[in-house]
This record gives sequence, C-alpha cells and structure tokens, in this order.
Amino acid sequence: LAKTTQPISMDSYEGQEVNITCSHNNIATNDYITWYQQFPSQGPRFIIQGYKTKVTNEVASLFIPADRKSSTLSLPRVSLSDTAVYYCLVGDIRGTGTASKLTFGTGTRLQVTL
Amino acid sequence: EAQVTQNPRYLITVTGKKLTVTCSQNMNHEYMSWYRQDPGLGLRQIYYSMNVEVTDKGDVPEGYKVSRKEKRNFPLILESPSPNQTSLYFCASSLAPTGAYGYTFGSGTRLTVV
Repeated sequence: LAKTTQPISMDSYEGQEVNITCSHNNIATNDYITWYQQFPSQGPRFIIQGYKTKVTNEVASLFIPADRKSSTLSLPRVSLSDTAVYYCLVGDIRGTGTASKLTFGTGTRLQVTL
Repeated sequence: EAQVTQNPRYLITVTGKKLTVTCSQNMNHEYMSWYRQDPGLGLRQIYYSMNVEVTDKGDVPEGYKVSRKEKRNFPLILESPSPNQTSLYFCASSLAPTGAYGYTFGSGTRLTVV
C-alpha cells in the first residue's frame, strides 16, 4: 500500500480557499486517491476520489499531477463548519477480489477561524 | 436514509466482562469493517468482511472477534475486554470491497474499560 504524508495541521480564515497536499511517492498504477473528512466524535465522511488530473464535486476539488506522486484537496471559501480532520488515502479500488486495508493515518487538522 | 448504525454510542464496562458492539447497514453493502481510533494514532483497522461468512484480520485484531452471519450485520465482540481497548470504535461499509465510491461510517462507539 502506498504510504501517504500530509501536514499535521493547517489554519485558515473563513472565506479563504484551502489547499491540503498529500504526498504518495510510491503510488501504484492501479491506486486511486480518496479524501475523507472527520468531525470530532463522528465517523469519517467520503469527500472525493480520483485517479488523475482534476475531479470536482459540490464539496471540493481534487488535483492530481501527471506523475501522481502527490494530490491536492482544494476547499473553496471555507467556513467555520469546515473545521475538521482531513485524511488522504491511496489504494487499489478496482475490486479485484482482495479487500483493501486502506490506512487512514493521522490526517490534517484544519482549523478555520473568523 | 442510507446509514450505518452502531450501538451503543457509549459504553463503560469492567475488565473481563464480555461485550458486543453491534453494527448494521441498510445499503446492501458487501464489504464491512471495524476501526478503532486513538489519539495520535489515527484510525486502525481491526477486522473486515468481504461478504457473509467471509472475515479477515486487519492491522490490530488481537482481543477482538467478529462474525458476519447476515449481510447487513457485523458485530464486534470483545470476549475479555482490557483497559487498553478503551477507544473510539467505528464500523464502516462499502459497496465495493476496496473502497470504490467511498466507505460509509457509523457514528462511533466510545468504549471505556475500567
């Protein structure tokens, strides 16, 4: 499984765009990149998933460069309610019959203030 | 509403007293998994199940048992709880075994063993 490295914490003001970068230098050809958000005492929530280039949904954008050795989660115009821990996961999701032991790690703690 | 339901939300027990944490999902997901979350250690997988009657160990299975007799239920059993099993536990399910489309997590069970 590809190991991921994220900043431990980040701070932002409300209304700003926040970019959280995840490094995964040994990502495999069949690995996808998935991001989760977790509020205190709640289970993680799926945000976005991608393989290459750019993926956008109603919550965030995910940028993946051509070499796929890193990825950036972009949260536009954050609010106080975006204060949470964000996890980057890398693994093969094709469903080839082997269950994935996706490793969450310790994530990035984002603190949004006024 | 599609969800993963864990019970109980909070539990305080004594060392050695067998307990079961229930997990149920209403999304007809084949894949289910248990995690524990401890400060500074992130989420660590305990056991997972690919389908009915198919279970396997995660990263920290010692002291835990699981069963998957029905597709919707995946209980976590602690035969003889010890204080080092004091933690926040999450159950998760997924349409695909390796996390495609994301995992859905329960709200968590905070267990204290004294």
